[in-house]
Amino acid sequence: GENVEQHPSTLSVQEGDSAVIKCTYSDSASNYFPWYKQELGKRPQLIIDIRSNVGEKKDQRIAVTLNKTAKHFSLHITETQPEDSAVYFCAASIGGKIIFGKGTRLHILP
Amino acid sequence: KAGVTQTPRYLIKTRGQQVTLSCSPISGHRSVSWYQQTPGQGLQFLFEYFSETQRNKGNFPGRFSGRQFSNSRSEMNVSTLELGDSALYLCASSPPGTLNTEAFFGQGTRLTVV
Repeated sequence: GENVEQHPSTLSVQEGDSAVIKCTYSDSASNYFPWYKQELGKRPQLIIDIRSNVGEKKDQRIAVTLNKTAKHFSLHITETQPEDSAVYFCAASIGGKIIFGKGTRLHILP
Repeated sequence: KAGVTQTPRYLIKTRGQQVTLSCSPISGHRSVSWYQQTPGQGLQFLFEYFSETQRNKGNFPGRFSGRQFSNSRSEMNVSTLELGDSALYLCASSPPGTLNTEAFFGQGTRLTVV
């Protein structure tokens, strides 16, 4: 069945540095790839998404890249800030079914 | 516009009992999905309903079931509860239009099975 692998499970970066989270998916028919951020005790919220007809998308300090041939996509956060500390989930969607990775806990070190 | 509302927020049940969770989507949203969130397993897809029909299903046993009403509100039922069913259950609704679009999550129902 559909599967999304996410790495690393935990990531610590110095404030101001960049963070990269990588995901791979199994179903080549997936055509929508959202990223969600979940702060402690809160609901997941969409931070950026990309569709299969686009290779890269950027929104201020956040960017996502997609390689459909290799079936992998990545989240890049530049100039990290303390408020970026959270759990990040990648996902792949097909036909309304969204499959999530297991999450990456990002720690921003002062 | 009100967000996705889940009730109750917390539940404690005994092993072997059954439970029903409720989800009211954002007004105008017709797709409702359910997820089970546990530490280390992330968000696992249970099922998705659209216009009162189950459109997608995850890999959970038949003890997990759901339904959607004509006003798009959805319920999820778990029968014969097991200790391993303790989790945060999240529902999410999506706006009409294309199949793949942003999912808006509720606050979740924290289920504890003792």
